[in-house]
Order: sequence, then C-alpha cells, then structure tokens
Amino acid sequence: DAGVTQSPTHLIKTRGQQVTLRCSPKSGHDTVSWYQQALGQGPQFIFQYYEEEERQRGNFPDRFSGHQFPNYSSELNVNALLLGDSALYLCASSLEWGNEQFFGPGTRLTVL
Amino acid sequence: AQRVTQPEKLLSVFKGAPVELKCNYSYSGSPELFWYVQYSRQRLQLLLRHISRESIKGFTADLNKGETSFHLKKPFAQEEDSAMYYCALRGGRGGANSKLTFGKGITLSVRP
Repeated sequence: DAGVTQSPTHLIKTRGQQVTLRCSPKSGHDTVSWYQQALGQGPQFIFQYYEEEERQRGNFPDRFSGHQFPNYSSELNVNALLLGDSALYLCASSLEWGNEQFFGPGTRLTVL
Repeated sequence: AQRVTQPEKLLSVFKGAPVELKCNYSYSGSPELFWYVQYSRQRLQLLLRHISRESIKGFTADLNKGETSFHLKKPFAQEEDSAMYYCALRGGRGGANSKLTFGKGITLSVRP
C-alpha cells in the first residue's frame, strides 16, 4: 500500500485561474480531509468528505470546493485563484470512526 | 471555537539534553490531543495521542486538563529527533467532529 497519494506534486498558476488537486486515500479508508498549510504555519482544515458528501467545513470561502468519488478518492478545486492561495495542500485519509488520519505528501501550489 | 497554541517556533538543544515542546489548547468540551511530526523530506505523521498514554521513540505527553496543556517531553534528545513538531486537537473521535486543529509548529534542532 502506497498510503495516501496526491497529484500533482507541484503546480504553478496565475491569479484568476482555476486549479484541481487530486488525492487517493490509503487502502480501506473512506474519509478524506483537506488542509491548507501556508509557509511557517500549521495545517488549516478546509473540509472533509465522507460518502461522497462534504460533512464538515473550515473557514474557507466558496471558491474552495471538492468532490469525493465512489472509490473514495477526492478532488479539491479552487476557483479565481489569489496570491494568498499559494500554499502546500495536504490530503489526509481515515476511517469514519478511526483514530488516526494519514497524510499525503502534499501538492505545492504557487500562484503568480 | 477550538485553538492550539505552540508558543515557541524553535528549540535548539544538544544531544542528550532534555526536551519539552509546549502545547496549550482551548476547547469547551473534552478534546483528543495529538502530536504530529514531520522529518526532513517526509510527510506529516502521527507521533502519539493522549488516549493511548504511550511512549513513542522515548517521547511522552500528558494531558493536563487544569492547565489545558499537552506538552511533549523526552529526557534525552537524539540527533534523529530533529524535525518539525505539531500539536493538534480533535473535538471527537469520528463523524462530524473529526477535523484536526493544528498549532503553528515548532522546529526541534538537536546538535551533536
């Protein structure tokens, strides 16, 4: 099991563009959470998906949206990119009632 | 609202010295507390959680509800302990309470 995988590894976009990041959870996991980690900060919760629905959301604008597929993989979409969206985006998977979240390596997004 | 505070950004010690990484939290209920670690060029991974009351790699952490603290301690630091450490809080074990709130992290540097 490769654990949680994310793609792409790095991404460069310009202001106003849209981006899609992808995550495949650890084998057997059904819940995916997304976090944004700005430079010098801890990860900040964006939202969580379970059974293909957004179950919980952090303090992020509607420009941030997501999706979970029947195979439990997930996408994070960000519209109308701002310079401040530059960050490392982390995906974490877990069991719905599990005790541990397993993190992926992250996608580094740079907005110019 | 839930909040995690790690008051220091950097702790530098010599090999064999004791280590204490501070973490304070704010939460109205009974939270679950975690320490995550990120070694150089590796992904974020769970180090230990308060409900397990375990020692991992010589590290321990005790939840002090009176002081709302969850400090991470190790009596004798090793060079391989050098990493970024994040304290995190979760409001519940599963369901809609399972999001993690992280502190800003602290860099531990252990010198030979």
